[in-house]
Amino acid sequence: SQQGEEDPQALSIQEGENATMNCSYKTSINNLQWYRQNSGRGLVHLILIRSNEREKHSGRLRVTLDTSKKSSSLLITASRAADTASYFCATVLIQGAQKLVFGQGTRLTINP
Amino acid sequence: DTAVSQTPKYLVTQMGNDKSIKCEQNLGHDTMYWYKQDSKKFLKIMFSYNNKELIINETVPNRFSPKSPDKAHLNLHINSLELGDSAVYFCASSQGGGGRGDTQYFGPGTRLTVL
Repeated sequence: SQQGEEDPQALSIQEGENATMNCSYKTSINNLQWYRQNSGRGLVHLILIRSNEREKHSGRLRVTLDTSKKSSSLLITASRAADTASYFCATVLIQGAQKLVFGQGTRLTINP
Repeated sequence: DTAVSQTPKYLVTQMGNDKSIKCEQNLGHDTMYWYKQDSKKFLKIMFSYNNKELIINETVPNRFSPKSPDKAHLNLHINSLELGDSAVYFCASSQGGGGRGDTQYFGPGTRLTVL
C-alpha cells in the first residue's frame, strides 16, 4: 500500500480563498516534501519539512507536520488561478535508501 | 537553460517493440532517478543511480534497463513493450547520493503509449 495518501483527492475553490490539503503516511520518516505538478508537466519542489520540525513557511505556503499523527498539511493562502495544479506529498523514510514515496495527489482547481 | 531534460516528450509504439528514453541534467547533481506515473497519477520510483552506480532498483520487470554513461545522463531502455507500460515516465536528479534532505528536480516527462 502507499506510504502517503492525500486528502481530499480533488478540491475546487474560488480565487482568493485558502486551500488546505492533507497528507497521511504510515511509517517513520526523515522528512516530508510537497511538490506541485501542472497539467502535462513535471513536478516542482515546493517545500521540505524535517521530522523534527512542526511548521514551515514559504511565501503563501504553510506546511505543518505532526509526527505523532503521521500527517502533514499544506495551506495555500490567498489562492490564485495559477495555483491550479496537482499537489503531491512525498516522504523520505528513515530506513533504507533515500527515495521519495509519493501519494496520489490532490487536484486543486482555483476558479476565477 | 533546461535543468533536467528528457527526449522524446511523446512516444507512441507498437507492442513488442524496444524503445529508449533519454535524460540529461545540467545541474551537476550526483544522483538521478526514473519514476513512472500511471493513469491514476500515482508516481512510483523505478531506479536511482549515484555517480553511475545503481543504488535503487524497485520491483521492476527486467525488460526495463537503465543505463548511465556518465553522471549527467540516465537513459531508460525498455524491451518487448507491453500495453501496461503505457504511462508518463519522469527523470529526476538531486545533489546528494545518499543524504536525506535533497530536493529532487524533475524533467518534463515522456508520455509513452503502447498500442
